[in-house]
Amino acid sequence: LAKTTQPISMDSYEGQEVNITCSHNNIATNDYITWYQQFPSQGPRFIIQGYKTKVTNEVASLFIPADRKSSTLSLPRVSLSDTAVYYCLVGLSGGSYIPTFGRGTSLIVHP
Amino acid sequence: GAVVSQHPSRVICKSGTSVKIECRSLDFQATTMFWYRQFPKQSLMLMATSNEGSKATYEQGVEKDKFLINHASLTLSTLTVTSAHPEDSSFYICSARDLGLAHSYEQYFGPGTRLTVT
Repeated sequence: LAKTTQPISMDSYEGQEVNITCSHNNIATNDYITWYQQFPSQGPRFIIQGYKTKVTNEVASLFIPADRKSSTLSLPRVSLSDTAVYYCLVGLSGGSYIPTFGRGTSLIVHP
Repeated sequence: GAVVSQHPSRVICKSGTSVKIECRSLDFQATTMFWYRQFPKQSLMLMATSNEGSKATYEQGVEKDKFLINHASLTLSTLTVTSAHPEDSSFYICSARDLGLAHSYEQYFGPGTRLTVT
């Protein structure tokens, strides 16, 4: 499984756009990139998943460059409720995918 | 979206006793479920992969005789912490994938179970 590297923590303010980058230099050809959000004492929640270029849903965007060795989760106009830990996971989606978590990024949104 | 439940949400037990945690996929079937453990301020650590109808696959360093996993049906996996000790106190989380959605790659996570061993 590809190892991921993320910043340990980030700070932002309400209304700002937050970009969290994840490095995955040894990503395999068939690997997908998935981001999860976790609040204290809760299970992780799926945010977004992508393979290449850009993916957007109602809560976030995911930017993946052509070499796929990194990815950036973009949260538009964050609010206090976006304070959480964000995890980037890389692996083959499907029956053989074993979701393994790295250290994650602790995002704190300030008023 | 799909829902995974865990029961109980919190449990306090005495040292030396056993505790069973249930993980259920409420509206989908899952041949594979995953069990994680999370200590305060740390990431989720994969403990084992639970396979319906067969033995679980444990990660290195996880004692299979201490953490018994049973996946008796396509919607239920159980984790039993046997002879629990205070160092087993942690947040236990399960996850599953909906096999019925061919193009869905989401893993659905349960809400977690807080185990405190006194």
